[in-house]
Amino acid sequence: GAGVSQSPSNKVTEKGKDVELRCDPISGHTALYWYRQSLGQGLEFLIYFQGNSAPDKSGLPSDRFSAERTGGSVSTLTIQRTQQEDSAVYLCASSFSVYNEQFFGPGTRLTVL
Amino acid sequence: GIQVEQSPPDLILQEGANSTLRCNFSDSVNNLQWFHQNPWGQLINLFYIPSGTKQNGRLSATTVATERYSLLYISSSQTTDSGVYFCAVVSGNTPLVFGKGTRLSVIA
Repeated sequence: GAGVSQSPSNKVTEKGKDVELRCDPISGHTALYWYRQSLGQGLEFLIYFQGNSAPDKSGLPSDRFSAERTGGSVSTLTIQRTQQEDSAVYLCASSFSVYNEQFFGPGTRLTVL
Repeated sequence: GIQVEQSPPDLILQEGANSTLRCNFSDSVNNLQWFHQNPWGQLINLFYIPSGTKQNGRLSATTVATERYSLLYISSSQTTDSGVYFCAVVSGNTPLVFGKGTRLSVIA
């Protein structure tokens, strides 16, 4: 596709439920990143994948968060047992490599009731 | 880790005015990007500029890597320029580290 796509665009869930967020990177980009932006805050790094290397999970806030990238393309971010503090916009980005320009998707707005 | 500071935090401009946004960073960088986050939350790439000067229409940016700062110039501002401007850097093998942003409001 022409840009990074994410789905769903909005997700409302109840506290304690699991959610899955999807990211389709730009074709040919080997690096994929997840960030989140809480209301009125800056962007916080969560996890990134570079090619076939082990992902850098250093930004994940708790073990309820996990992500996978299948076939070096599509990525899924999973949040288990959601909490109200997980409410945020989750943004995905991709680039040719970690030093190259990153391009962002439109985000998924997650609301945990 | 690297620190990124942006100034000013808020800026109100009359349409047609010029402005300069600043980004200071605490270590050497491999990548520096400027983004505009529009009212719908989309991050729009403005510049990829780890060093040097670039121009795109009414916008230009300069990064002086040796002095650890970057500047974003907006000339003849328009109401559509309103939003939050973020500076973000990569240092070493890290992902992008973002500043807290400058919130710009352009009034007609």
